Amino acid sequence: DVKVTQSSRYLVKRTGEKVFLECVQDMDHENMFWYRQDPGLGLRLIYFSYDVKMKEKGDIPEGYSVSREKKERFSLILESASTNQTSMYLCASSRDNSGNTIYFGEGSWLTVV
Amino acid sequence: GENVEQHPSTLSVQEGDSAVIKCTYSDSASNYFPWYKQELGKGPQLIIDIRSNVGEKKDQRIAVTLNKTAKHFSLHITETQPEDSAVYFCAASKGGGGNKLTFGTGTQLKVEL
Repeated sequence: DVKVTQSSRYLVKRTGEKVFLECVQDMDHENMFWYRQDPGLGLRLIYFSYDVKMKEKGDIPEGYSVSREKKERFSLILESASTNQTSMYLCASSRDNSGNTIYFGEGSWLTVV
Repeated sequence: GENVEQHPSTLSVQEGDSAVIKCTYSDSASNYFPWYKQELGKGPQLIIDIRSNVGEKKDQRIAVTLNKTAKHFSLHITETQPEDSAVYFCAASKGGGGNKLTFGTGTQLKVEL
């Protein structure tokens, strides 16, 4: 079974802190994604990566950056956390662009106070 | 970009009844339409998907229909059971299944005994 692991399930951070959310997949997938989930808004794409060191902006990239130094790991970075970034963050991966299923991790609940 | 609308936002049915969730999409180039189920505290899991060359697909109690002309697709759950209670998301993608998904805003389904 594909496994997408988000190392931190629950985090509480202070405004202005730098926050790292880590995601690892164990199936040698090429594509990795970060989504944000908010009530009434569904899942919105922040960034995605289709290869090591490659990244593309999604629909809501402002206030976020990402890093993909290794194929299996995709990190989401909040350079200076703000209260409006309090949310559930979901990492996902898929094998490639040939019509493959996208698999999600269990999510990271981030509260910024 | 793509816009996906999903209705209803909440749905309550009696056990054994059918449930229908509807989605519309805006980009006629979209060709892949998955449905995800999200249980409380977990990440979304794919339950069924359909591609644009198919009008209907079934998997036991779950079926999805696609009307490309009208740009809408629907999820049908028959003989609902309490374990079907969850949030359901529809999504659409242009680049096969591995490319980025645009999600609907979700439907909270409650199956009552």
